[in-house]
Amino acid sequence: GENVEQHPSTLSVQEGDSAVIKCTYSDSASNYFPWYKQELGKGPQLIIDIRSNVGEKKDQRIAVTLNKTAKHFSLHITETQPEDSAVYFCAARSGGSYIPTFGRGTSLIVHP
Amino acid sequence: ETGVTQSPTHLIKTRGQQVTLRCSSQSGHNTVSWYQQALGQGPQFIFQYYREEENGRGNFPPRFSGLQFPNYSSELNVNALELDDSALYLCASSLDGTKGNYGYTFGSGTRLTVV
Repeated sequence: GENVEQHPSTLSVQEGDSAVIKCTYSDSASNYFPWYKQELGKGPQLIIDIRSNVGEKKDQRIAVTLNKTAKHFSLHITETQPEDSAVYFCAARSGGSYIPTFGRGTSLIVHP
Repeated sequence: ETGVTQSPTHLIKTRGQQVTLRCSSQSGHNTVSWYQQALGQGPQFIFQYYREEENGRGNFPPRFSGLQFPNYSSELNVNALELDDSALYLCASSLDGTKGNYGYTFGSGTRLTVV
Protein backbone atom coordinates (compact mmCIF):
# COMPACT_ATOMS: atom_id res chain seq x y z
CA GLY A 1 0.00 0.00 0.00
CA GLU A 2 0.86 3.67 -0.07
CA ASN A 3 3.24 5.13 2.52
CA VAL A 4 3.40 8.89 3.14
CA GLU A 5 6.19 10.56 5.08
CA GLN A 6 5.81 14.16 6.24
CA HIS A 7 8.44 16.61 7.52
CA PRO A 8 8.99 18.49 9.70
CA SER A 9 6.78 17.40 12.58
CA THR A 10 6.94 20.90 14.06
CA LEU A 11 7.62 24.20 12.30
CA SER A 12 7.92 27.53 14.09
CA VAL A 13 8.06 30.77 12.08
CA GLN A 14 7.67 34.49 12.61
CA GLU A 15 4.63 36.25 11.23
CA GLY A 16 5.30 37.28 7.64
CA ASP A 17 7.82 34.52 6.98
CA SER A 18 7.24 31.65 4.58
CA ALA A 19 6.63 28.06 5.67
CA VAL A 20 7.31 24.91 3.69
CA ILE A 21 6.08 21.41 4.56
CA LYS A 22 7.34 18.43 2.59
CA CYS A 23 5.88 14.99 1.94
CA THR A 24 7.12 11.93 0.11
CA TYR A 25 5.07 9.01 -1.14
CA SER A 26 5.94 5.49 -2.14
CA ASP A 27 3.50 4.47 -4.88
CA SER A 28 4.50 5.91 -8.25
CA ALA A 29 0.92 5.37 -9.44
CA SER A 30 -0.49 7.85 -6.91
CA ASN A 31 -2.34 10.60 -8.71
CA TYR A 32 -4.14 12.79 -6.18
CA PHE A 33 -2.53 14.80 -3.38
CA PRO A 34 -4.71 16.83 -0.99
CA TRP A 35 -3.56 18.99 1.91
CA TYR A 36 -5.62 19.49 5.06
CA LYS A 37 -5.48 22.01 7.90
CA GLN A 38 -6.65 20.93 11.34
CA GLU A 39 -7.30 23.54 14.00
CA LEU A 40 -7.60 22.64 17.65
CA GLY A 41 -10.86 20.84 18.39
CA LYS A 42 -11.89 20.62 14.75
CA GLY A 43 -11.73 18.11 11.95
CA PRO A 44 -9.25 18.51 9.07
CA GLN A 45 -10.26 20.99 6.39
CA LEU A 46 -9.19 20.63 2.75
CA ILE A 47 -7.13 23.69 1.80
CA ILE A 48 -5.64 22.74 -1.55
CA ASP A 49 -5.13 19.68 -3.72
CA ILE A 50 -3.16 18.77 -6.80
CA ARG A 51 -3.46 16.05 -9.38
CA SER A 52 -0.59 14.23 -11.00
CA ASN A 53 -0.97 15.94 -14.35
CA VAL A 54 -0.07 19.31 -12.79
CA GLY A 55 3.27 20.42 -11.33
CA GLU A 56 2.12 23.41 -9.28
CA LYS A 57 -1.07 24.97 -8.05
CA LYS A 58 -1.59 28.25 -6.21
CA ASP A 59 -4.43 29.71 -4.20
CA GLN A 60 -3.65 33.12 -2.76
CA ARG A 61 -0.97 32.62 -0.08
CA ILE A 62 -0.74 28.86 -0.40
CA ALA A 63 0.78 26.76 -3.14
CA VAL A 64 1.53 23.11 -3.68
CA THR A 65 4.26 21.68 -5.88
CA LEU A 66 4.55 18.11 -7.10
CA ASN A 67 7.64 16.29 -8.33
CA LYS A 68 6.46 12.96 -9.71
CA THR A 69 9.95 11.76 -10.56
CA ALA A 70 11.17 12.21 -7.00
CA LYS A 71 7.77 11.27 -5.56
CA HIS A 72 7.49 14.26 -3.33
CA PHE A 73 5.15 17.19 -2.94
CA SER A 74 5.29 20.31 -0.82
CA LEU A 75 3.01 22.92 0.70
CA HIS A 76 4.19 26.52 0.63
CA ILE A 77 2.59 29.22 2.73
CA THR A 78 3.76 32.78 2.16
CA GLU A 79 3.29 35.82 4.41
CA THR A 80 2.26 33.62 7.32
CA GLN A 81 -0.25 34.95 9.83
CA PRO A 82 -1.01 33.79 13.39
CA GLU A 83 -4.28 32.27 12.16
CA ASP A 84 -2.24 29.91 9.97
CA SER A 85 -1.17 28.16 13.19
CA ALA A 86 -2.59 24.62 13.01
CA VAL A 87 -1.64 21.05 12.18
CA TYR A 88 -1.24 20.41 8.45
CA PHE A 89 -1.63 16.97 6.89
CA CYS A 90 -0.63 15.83 3.45
CA ALA A 91 -2.23 12.81 1.81
CA ALA A 92 -1.71 10.73 -1.29
CA ARG A 93 -4.15 8.51 -3.15
CA SER A 94 -2.60 5.42 -4.62
CA GLY A 95 -3.52 4.59 -8.18
CA GLY A 96 -4.65 1.17 -7.02
CA SER A 97 -7.03 2.51 -4.40
CA TYR A 98 -9.47 5.31 -3.91
CA ILE A 99 -8.55 5.83 -0.27
CA PRO A 100 -6.01 8.55 0.56
CA THR A 101 -3.20 7.78 2.99
CA PHE A 102 -2.33 10.61 5.39
CA GLY A 103 1.02 11.79 6.67
CA ARG A 104 1.59 12.19 10.40
CA GLY A 105 1.10 15.94 10.37
CA THR A 106 3.11 19.12 10.85
CA SER A 107 2.33 21.47 13.70
CA LEU A 108 2.86 25.00 12.34
CA ILE A 109 3.28 27.76 14.89
CA VAL A 110 3.28 31.35 13.65
CA HIS A 111 4.59 33.82 16.24
CA PRO A 112 3.17 37.36 16.09
CA GLU B 1 -25.27 23.54 2.13
CA THR B 2 -24.66 21.81 5.44
CA GLY B 3 -21.34 20.31 6.43
CA VAL B 4 -20.59 17.01 8.13
CA THR B 5 -22.12 16.59 11.56
CA GLN B 6 -20.90 14.03 14.10
CA SER B 7 -22.43 13.00 17.39
CA PRO B 8 -21.70 12.83 20.19
CA THR B 9 -18.75 15.22 20.45
CA HIS B 10 -17.30 13.52 23.51
CA LEU B 11 -17.85 10.09 25.04
CA ILE B 12 -16.40 8.13 27.94
CA LYS B 13 -16.81 4.37 27.97
CA THR B 14 -15.54 1.50 30.07
CA ARG B 15 -13.32 -1.22 28.64
CA GLY B 16 -15.43 -4.06 27.21
CA GLN B 17 -18.42 -1.87 26.43
CA GLN B 18 -19.83 -1.12 22.99
CA VAL B 19 -20.18 2.29 21.36
CA THR B 20 -22.02 3.75 18.37
CA LEU B 21 -20.87 6.97 16.72
CA ARG B 22 -23.00 8.82 14.20
CA CYS B 23 -22.32 10.95 11.16
CA SER B 24 -24.48 13.01 8.83
CA SER B 25 -22.77 13.57 5.50
CA GLN B 26 -22.63 16.81 3.57
CA SER B 27 -25.58 17.42 1.30
CA GLY B 28 -24.99 15.83 -2.10
CA HIS B 29 -22.22 13.49 -0.92
CA ASN B 30 -22.80 9.74 -1.27
CA THR B 31 -19.61 8.43 0.29
CA VAL B 32 -18.64 8.32 3.95
CA SER B 33 -15.22 7.37 5.32
CA TRP B 34 -14.30 6.82 8.94
CA TYR B 35 -10.89 7.56 10.38
CA GLN B 36 -9.27 7.06 13.78
CA GLN B 37 -6.87 9.77 14.88
CA ALA B 38 -4.72 9.08 17.90
CA LEU B 39 -3.16 12.03 19.70
CA GLY B 40 -0.35 13.53 17.64
CA GLN B 41 -0.93 11.21 14.69
CA GLY B 42 -2.46 11.44 11.27
CA PRO B 43 -5.89 9.98 10.56
CA GLN B 44 -5.88 6.20 10.06
CA PHE B 45 -8.44 4.78 7.61
CA ILE B 46 -11.03 2.45 9.18
CA PHE B 47 -13.51 1.89 6.33
CA GLN B 48 -15.54 3.61 3.67
CA TYR B 49 -19.17 3.29 2.63
CA TYR B 50 -20.44 4.12 -0.83
CA ARG B 51 -24.17 3.93 -1.51
CA GLU B 52 -24.78 1.78 1.58
CA GLU B 53 -22.06 -0.79 0.74
CA GLU B 54 -18.64 -1.13 2.38
CA ASN B 55 -16.22 0.11 -0.24
CA GLY B 56 -12.86 -0.52 1.42
CA ARG B 57 -11.44 -1.34 4.81
CA GLY B 58 -8.24 -0.47 6.61
CA ASN B 59 -6.27 -2.56 9.07
CA PHE B 60 -8.85 -2.63 11.84
CA PRO B 61 -10.33 -5.74 13.53
CA PRO B 62 -13.90 -6.94 12.86
CA ARG B 63 -15.13 -5.44 16.13
CA PHE B 64 -15.09 -2.16 14.19
CA SER B 65 -18.18 -2.22 11.99
CA GLY B 66 -20.36 0.29 10.24
CA LEU B 67 -23.50 1.10 8.36
CA GLN B 68 -24.60 3.63 5.80
CA PHE B 69 -28.25 4.56 5.47
CA PRO B 70 -30.28 5.54 2.37
CA ASN B 71 -29.84 9.22 3.23
CA TYR B 72 -26.05 8.57 3.24
CA SER B 73 -25.67 9.14 6.97
CA SER B 74 -23.51 6.57 8.70
CA GLU B 75 -22.70 4.82 11.97
CA LEU B 76 -19.48 3.43 13.35
CA ASN B 77 -19.85 0.67 15.92
CA VAL B 78 -17.05 -0.60 18.10
CA ASN B 79 -17.54 -3.69 20.26
CA ALA B 80 -15.48 -4.90 23.20
CA LEU B 81 -13.76 -1.55 23.67
CA GLU B 82 -10.08 -1.55 24.54
CA LEU B 83 -8.02 1.21 26.14
CA ASP B 84 -6.17 1.72 22.82
CA ASP B 85 -9.45 2.62 21.14
CA SER B 86 -9.26 5.99 22.87
CA ALA B 87 -8.92 8.48 20.02
CA LEU B 88 -10.66 11.11 17.92
CA TYR B 89 -12.97 9.42 15.41
CA LEU B 90 -13.45 11.40 12.26
CA CYS B 91 -16.14 11.02 9.67
CA ALA B 92 -15.52 12.41 6.19
CA SER B 93 -17.96 12.65 3.32
CA SER B 94 -17.10 12.94 -0.35
CA LEU B 95 -18.60 12.64 -3.76
CA ASP B 96 -18.24 9.29 -5.48
CA GLY B 97 -15.88 7.20 -3.41
CA THR B 98 -15.18 4.88 -6.31
CA LYS B 99 -13.02 7.50 -7.99
CA GLY B 100 -11.27 9.05 -5.01
CA ASN B 101 -10.30 12.24 -6.78
CA TYR B 102 -12.37 14.44 -4.59
CA GLY B 103 -11.35 15.99 -1.32
CA TYR B 104 -13.02 15.00 1.88
CA THR B 105 -15.24 17.16 4.03
CA PHE B 106 -14.52 16.18 7.61
CA GLY B 107 -16.69 16.52 10.65
CA SER B 108 -15.26 17.81 13.93
CA GLY B 109 -15.00 14.30 15.28
CA THR B 110 -16.04 12.34 18.34
CA ARG B 111 -13.50 12.19 21.14
CA LEU B 112 -13.77 8.68 22.64
CA THR B 113 -12.09 7.91 25.93
CA VAL B 114 -12.00 4.31 27.15
CA VAL B 115 -11.27 3.85 30.84
